[in-house]
Amino acid sequence: DTGVSQDPRHKITKRGQNVTFRCDPISEHNRLYWYRQTLGQGPEFLTYFQNEAQLEKSRLLSDRFSAERPKGSFSTLEIQRTEQGDSAMYLCASSLVAGATYNEQFFGPGTRLTVL
Amino acid sequence: QQPVQSPQAVILREGEDAVINCSSSKALYSVHWYRQKHGEAPVFLMILLKGGEQKGHEKISASFNEKKQQSSLYLTASQLSYSGTYFCGTEPADSWGKFQFGAGTQVVVTP
Repeated sequence: DTGVSQDPRHKITKRGQNVTFRCDPISEHNRLYWYRQTLGQGPEFLTYFQNEAQLEKSRLLSDRFSAERPKGSFSTLEIQRTEQGDSAMYLCASSLVAGATYNEQFFGPGTRLTVL
Repeated sequence: QQPVQSPQAVILREGEDAVINCSSSKALYSVHWYRQKHGEAPVFLMILLKGGEQKGHEKISASFNEKKQQSSLYLTASQLSYSGTYFCGTEPADSWGKFQFGAGTQVVVTP
């Protein structure tokens, strides 16, 4: 399977715990996005990377959220001191961008986080 | 800001047509359209770039009015497989890559 993969697919945690999610993009893709989606809403932008550089980060993201893409390949999203409001589906997407070109994103299956 | 989609929901019979609209208050570089079925990840349908270029599936058509920062997705001769939630994602001209998605339009196609 050469698509975007995410791990774990489901995570249940208690309030106050830290969680980390992993995303493996399509291998030749240089851009990687993180989104959060709640029921009945569209994906909400969190951050994106161009290779290993984090170029944009949503102002909605508090200091409890951090993301890395250390070698420009896989990425991790960490949430510290989880709150019940963090419960959502966390989606990763990747794309290949070269200059002003098409930038269709391929989404992974998501990680569903439940904070108790 | 999040783009505004309309309608929120539409019910079609097979073979009928529908239009989904997406409007942004910001100048845009591109508009993307995705379809998401229940419990699945969004799937790419179409990209429309500022300047008129577009890329997408053969059976899907869309338009982008750069002056109004509005896009429309046309579902023609709908099939049962068209059911799902359609999202537009807008890419601001001053913040490439920082996509904002609308709340979605739920489409139900019935036999």
